[in-house]
Amino acid sequence: RKEVEQDPGPFNVPEGATVAFNCTYSNSASQSFFWYRQDCRKEPKLLMSVYSSGNEDGRFTAQLNRASQYISLLIRDSKLSDSATYLCVVNLVGTSYGKLTFGQGTILTVHP
Amino acid sequence: NAGVTQTPKFQVLKTGQSMTLQCAQDMNHEYMSWYRQDPGMGLRLIHYSVGAGITDQGEVPNGYNVSRSTTEDFPLRLLSAAPSQTSVYFCASITTGGRKTQYFGPGTRLLVL
Repeated sequence: RKEVEQDPGPFNVPEGATVAFNCTYSNSASQSFFWYRQDCRKEPKLLMSVYSSGNEDGRFTAQLNRASQYISLLIRDSKLSDSATYLCVVNLVGTSYGKLTFGQGTILTVHP
Repeated sequence: NAGVTQTPKFQVLKTGQSMTLQCAQDMNHEYMSWYRQDPGMGLRLIHYSVGAGITDQGEVPNGYNVSRSTTEDFPLRLLSAAPSQTSVYFCASITTGGRKTQYFGPGTRLLVL
Protein backbone atom coordinates (compact mmCIF):
# COMPACT_ATOMS: atom_id res chain seq x y z
CA ARG A 1 0.00 0.00 0.00
CA LYS A 2 1.34 3.44 -0.88
CA GLU A 3 2.05 5.74 2.03
CA VAL A 4 -0.02 8.52 0.51
CA GLU A 5 -2.74 7.88 -2.04
CA GLN A 6 -4.83 10.39 -3.91
CA ASP A 7 -7.85 10.32 -6.16
CA PRO A 8 -6.30 9.60 -9.53
CA GLY A 9 -8.39 12.13 -11.46
CA PRO A 10 -8.34 13.82 -13.81
CA PHE A 11 -11.18 16.02 -12.73
CA ASN A 12 -12.79 18.13 -15.43
CA VAL A 13 -15.23 20.70 -14.09
CA PRO A 14 -16.91 23.84 -15.42
CA GLU A 15 -16.18 27.24 -14.03
CA GLY A 16 -18.12 27.90 -10.86
CA ALA A 17 -18.31 24.25 -9.86
CA THR A 18 -17.37 22.85 -6.49
CA VAL A 19 -14.84 20.04 -6.55
CA ALA A 20 -13.33 17.92 -3.78
CA PHE A 21 -10.21 15.80 -3.62
CA ASN A 22 -9.40 13.15 -1.06
CA CYS A 23 -6.09 11.77 0.09
CA THR A 24 -5.45 8.83 2.40
CA TYR A 25 -2.28 8.14 4.36
CA SER A 26 -1.10 4.90 5.85
CA ASN A 27 1.02 5.96 8.83
CA SER A 28 -1.16 6.82 11.80
CA ALA A 29 1.77 8.65 13.42
CA SER A 30 1.76 11.29 10.68
CA GLN A 31 1.58 14.72 12.22
CA SER A 32 1.52 17.43 9.56
CA PHE A 33 -0.46 17.63 6.38
CA PHE A 34 -0.34 19.92 3.41
CA TRP A 35 -1.82 20.56 0.00
CA TYR A 36 0.57 21.73 -2.69
CA ARG A 37 -0.32 22.99 -6.13
CA GLN A 38 1.81 22.32 -9.20
CA ASP A 39 1.27 24.05 -12.51
CA CYS A 40 2.38 22.40 -15.72
CA ARG A 41 6.18 22.30 -15.95
CA LYS A 42 6.57 24.32 -12.76
CA GLU A 43 7.66 23.57 -9.23
CA PRO A 44 5.18 22.59 -6.50
CA LYS A 45 4.04 25.45 -4.31
CA LEU A 46 2.38 25.31 -0.93
CA LEU A 47 -1.36 25.88 -1.22
CA MET A 48 -2.29 25.41 2.40
CA SER A 49 -1.52 23.49 5.52
CA VAL A 50 -4.21 21.24 6.96
CA TYR A 51 -5.10 21.67 10.61
CA SER A 52 -6.89 19.23 12.86
CA SER A 53 -9.95 21.44 13.17
CA GLY A 54 -10.11 22.07 9.45
CA ASN A 55 -9.25 25.37 7.86
CA GLU A 56 -10.34 27.65 5.11
CA ASP A 57 -8.48 30.03 2.83
CA GLY A 58 -10.84 31.90 0.56
CA ARG A 59 -12.46 29.39 -1.78
CA PHE A 60 -10.34 26.53 -0.45
CA THR A 61 -11.24 24.37 2.54
CA ALA A 62 -9.03 21.63 3.93
CA GLN A 63 -10.15 18.98 6.36
CA LEU A 64 -8.38 16.26 8.31
CA ASN A 65 -9.93 13.04 9.59
CA ARG A 66 -7.38 11.30 11.80
CA ALA A 67 -9.65 8.39 12.64
CA SER A 68 -10.03 7.44 8.99
CA GLN A 69 -6.58 8.76 8.03
CA TYR A 70 -7.58 11.00 5.21
CA ILE A 71 -7.43 14.64 4.29
CA SER A 72 -9.55 16.50 1.80
CA LEU A 73 -9.46 19.67 -0.23
CA LEU A 74 -12.63 21.43 -1.34
CA ILE A 75 -12.55 24.13 -3.98
CA ARG A 76 -15.64 26.28 -4.34
CA ASP A 77 -16.54 28.48 -7.29
CA SER A 78 -13.78 27.03 -9.46
CA LYS A 79 -11.81 29.39 -11.67
CA LEU A 80 -9.95 28.65 -14.87
CA SER A 81 -6.79 29.53 -12.97
CA ASP A 82 -7.40 26.65 -10.55
CA SER A 83 -6.41 24.21 -13.29
CA ALA A 84 -3.33 22.45 -11.94
CA THR A 85 -2.15 19.29 -10.24
CA TYR A 86 -2.88 19.14 -6.52
CA LEU A 87 -0.42 17.22 -4.37
CA CYS A 88 -1.20 15.80 -0.96
CA VAL A 89 1.81 15.85 1.38
CA VAL A 90 2.18 14.14 4.73
CA ASN A 91 4.89 14.73 7.32
CA LEU A 92 6.00 12.27 9.96
CA VAL A 93 7.20 14.65 12.66
CA GLY A 94 9.55 13.31 15.24
CA THR A 95 12.15 11.91 12.89
CA SER A 96 15.43 13.78 12.57
CA TYR A 97 14.30 15.10 9.22
CA GLY A 98 10.57 15.16 9.25
CA LYS A 99 9.87 12.77 6.44
CA LEU A 100 7.67 14.39 3.84
CA THR A 101 5.82 12.01 1.58
CA PHE A 102 4.04 13.16 -1.55
CA GLY A 103 1.03 11.69 -3.22
CA GLN A 104 1.09 11.31 -6.96
CA GLY A 105 -1.21 14.23 -7.49
CA THR A 106 -4.69 14.87 -8.82
CA ILE A 107 -5.10 16.76 -12.05
CA LEU A 108 -7.83 19.38 -12.15
CA THR A 109 -8.99 21.05 -15.33
CA VAL A 110 -11.53 23.85 -15.08
CA HIS A 111 -13.19 24.65 -18.40
CA PRO A 112 -15.32 27.61 -19.49
CA ASN B 1 15.10 36.96 -1.13
CA ALA B 2 15.65 34.83 -4.22
CA GLY B 3 14.35 31.77 -2.40
CA VAL B 4 15.59 28.52 -3.91
CA THR B 5 17.53 28.71 -7.17
CA GLN B 6 18.60 25.86 -9.43
CA THR B 7 20.94 25.69 -12.39
CA PRO B 8 20.88 24.69 -15.13
CA LYS B 9 17.22 24.80 -16.22
CA PHE B 10 17.77 22.24 -18.97
CA GLN B 11 20.54 19.77 -19.69
CA VAL B 12 21.18 17.04 -22.23
CA LEU B 13 23.77 14.42 -21.37
CA LYS B 14 25.12 11.35 -23.04
CA THR B 15 25.14 8.05 -21.19
CA GLY B 16 28.19 7.84 -18.95
CA GLN B 17 28.74 11.57 -18.60
CA SER B 18 28.81 13.18 -15.19
CA MET B 19 27.43 16.51 -14.12
CA THR B 20 26.42 18.56 -11.09
CA LEU B 21 23.02 20.13 -10.57
CA GLN B 22 23.35 23.26 -8.49
CA CYS B 23 20.94 24.35 -5.76
CA ALA B 24 21.17 27.38 -3.50
CA GLN B 25 18.86 28.98 -0.97
CA ASP B 26 19.04 32.30 0.86
CA MET B 27 16.50 31.63 3.60
CA ASN B 28 19.02 30.20 6.06
CA HIS B 29 17.14 26.90 6.20
CA GLU B 30 19.00 24.00 7.71
CA TYR B 31 17.07 21.31 5.87
CA MET B 32 17.41 20.82 2.13
CA SER B 33 16.45 17.98 -0.17
CA TRP B 34 16.54 16.74 -3.74
CA TYR B 35 13.61 15.10 -5.51
CA ARG B 36 13.05 13.68 -8.92
CA GLN B 37 9.67 13.73 -10.57
CA ASP B 38 8.67 11.25 -13.22
CA PRO B 39 5.29 10.76 -14.92
CA GLY B 40 3.05 8.54 -12.83
CA MET B 41 5.63 8.32 -10.02
CA GLY B 42 5.14 11.55 -8.15
CA LEU B 43 7.99 13.22 -6.30
CA ARG B 44 10.60 10.85 -4.93
CA LEU B 45 13.27 11.84 -2.44
CA ILE B 46 16.85 11.28 -3.61
CA HIS B 47 18.98 12.73 -0.82
CA TYR B 48 18.47 15.18 1.97
CA SER B 49 20.50 17.22 4.42
CA VAL B 50 19.69 18.44 7.91
CA GLY B 51 22.58 20.87 8.03
CA ALA B 52 26.06 21.67 6.74
CA GLY B 53 28.17 18.54 6.71
CA ILE B 54 25.20 16.19 7.24
CA THR B 55 23.52 14.30 4.42
CA ASP B 56 21.52 11.10 4.14
CA GLN B 57 19.87 8.96 1.53
CA GLY B 58 16.26 9.17 0.54
CA GLU B 59 14.10 6.75 -1.39
CA VAL B 60 16.08 6.62 -4.67
CA PRO B 61 19.75 7.52 -3.97
CA ASN B 62 21.54 5.18 -6.38
CA GLY B 63 23.60 6.98 -9.02
CA TYR B 64 23.62 10.29 -7.15
CA ASN B 65 25.96 11.95 -4.67
CA VAL B 66 25.46 15.03 -2.55
CA SER B 67 27.51 17.18 -0.24
CA ARG B 68 26.63 20.11 2.00
CA SER B 69 29.64 22.28 2.75
CA THR B 70 27.57 25.41 3.48
CA THR B 71 24.04 26.10 4.66
CA GLU B 72 23.24 27.80 1.34
CA ASP B 73 24.36 25.21 -1.21
CA PHE B 74 23.33 21.62 -1.82
CA PRO B 75 24.64 20.30 -5.16
CA LEU B 76 23.54 16.99 -6.64
CA ARG B 77 26.08 15.02 -8.65
CA LEU B 78 25.28 12.43 -11.26
CA LEU B 79 28.26 10.13 -11.32
CA SER B 80 27.68 8.33 -14.63
CA ALA B 81 24.45 9.36 -16.29
CA ALA B 82 21.99 6.71 -17.45
CA PRO B 83 18.81 7.07 -19.52
CA SER B 84 16.84 6.06 -16.40
CA GLN B 85 17.95 9.33 -14.84
CA THR B 86 16.01 11.34 -17.41
CA SER B 87 13.69 13.29 -15.18
CA VAL B 88 12.83 16.64 -13.69
CA TYR B 89 14.88 17.39 -10.59
CA PHE B 90 13.65 19.67 -7.84
CA CYS B 91 15.64 21.01 -4.95
CA ALA B 92 13.76 22.08 -1.84
CA SER B 93 14.56 24.08 1.24
CA ILE B 94 12.59 23.34 4.36
CA THR B 95 11.58 25.44 7.33
CA THR B 96 12.84 23.95 10.56
CA GLY B 97 9.71 24.72 12.52
CA GLY B 98 7.19 22.11 13.46
CA ARG B 99 5.28 21.92 10.21
CA LYS B 100 8.27 21.58 7.86
CA THR B 101 7.01 23.63 4.90
CA GLN B 102 8.99 23.03 1.73
CA TYR B 103 9.97 25.69 -0.78
CA PHE B 104 10.96 24.32 -4.15
CA GLY B 105 13.34 25.59 -6.77
CA PRO B 106 12.17 25.91 -10.39
CA GLY B 107 13.58 22.54 -11.38
CA THR B 108 16.16 21.14 -13.78
CA ARG B 109 14.97 19.14 -16.77
CA LEU B 110 17.52 16.47 -17.60
CA LEU B 111 17.58 14.28 -20.69
CA VAL B 112 20.08 11.46 -20.85
CA LEU B 113 20.60 9.97 -24.30
